[in-house]
Amino acid sequence: NAGVTQTPKFRILKIGQSMTLQCAQDMNHNYMYWYRQDPGMGLKLIYYSVGAGITDKGEVPNGYNVSRSTTEDFPLRLELAAPSQTSVYFCASSYYPHTADYEQYFGPGTRLTVT
Amino acid sequence: AQSVTQLGSHVSVSEGALVLLRCNYSSSVPPYLFWYVQYPNQGLQLLLKYTSAATLVKGINGFEAEFKKSETSFHLTKPSAHMSDAAEYFCAVRQGSGGYNKLIFGAGTRLAVHP
Repeated sequence: NAGVTQTPKFRILKIGQSMTLQCAQDMNHNYMYWYRQDPGMGLKLIYYSVGAGITDKGEVPNGYNVSRSTTEDFPLRLELAAPSQTSVYFCASSYYPHTADYEQYFGPGTRLTVT
Repeated sequence: AQSVTQLGSHVSVSEGALVLLRCNYSSSVPPYLFWYVQYPNQGLQLLLKYTSAATLVKGINGFEAEFKKSETSFHLTKPSAHMSDAAEYFCAVRQGSGGYNKLIFGAGTRLAVHP
């Protein structure tokens, strides 16, 4: 299994540009998540999905959109990039409900800079 | 609501010394607690988890953590630090009960190990 994969690894955007961060998992997990990590701030949840066709907002959803058309894929869309969206983005997945395992499995991250 | 506080954003130890990383939590329901490690330029990897079984939890790479309900703590320890332990460590608590399986992360503690 490849686990959770993310592309691209790095990206530089100009203010106002759009892009999609890709995330895929091959573990047949029903839950998927997008986090952003800012220095000294830990991880903040942007959006999550409990299954194909079902998404919901996390703590910091403004400026982002998601979709979940398949179990495997959970892309994150930035429509009008702003400097405040400079961050490292992590995708994660988990299998719920599994009474013994609430672990989330993380991808390697995408480092995004908006200038 | 659940929350996590990690005391000390930076901890520095000598190789071979005890590692102690502190985590206190707040939870309105019996908590599920996690420690994740992030090596430079990588995603998060699960070290260990507490899911209401044994209060002393052993994880990978010689780490362990003890759940203390009376102190609302879940501190991470390792008897003897190794240079390869240098990384950022995150404590997390599962948010609430029911079908959401969201994690609330602390701000992280960066561990430096010097010769």
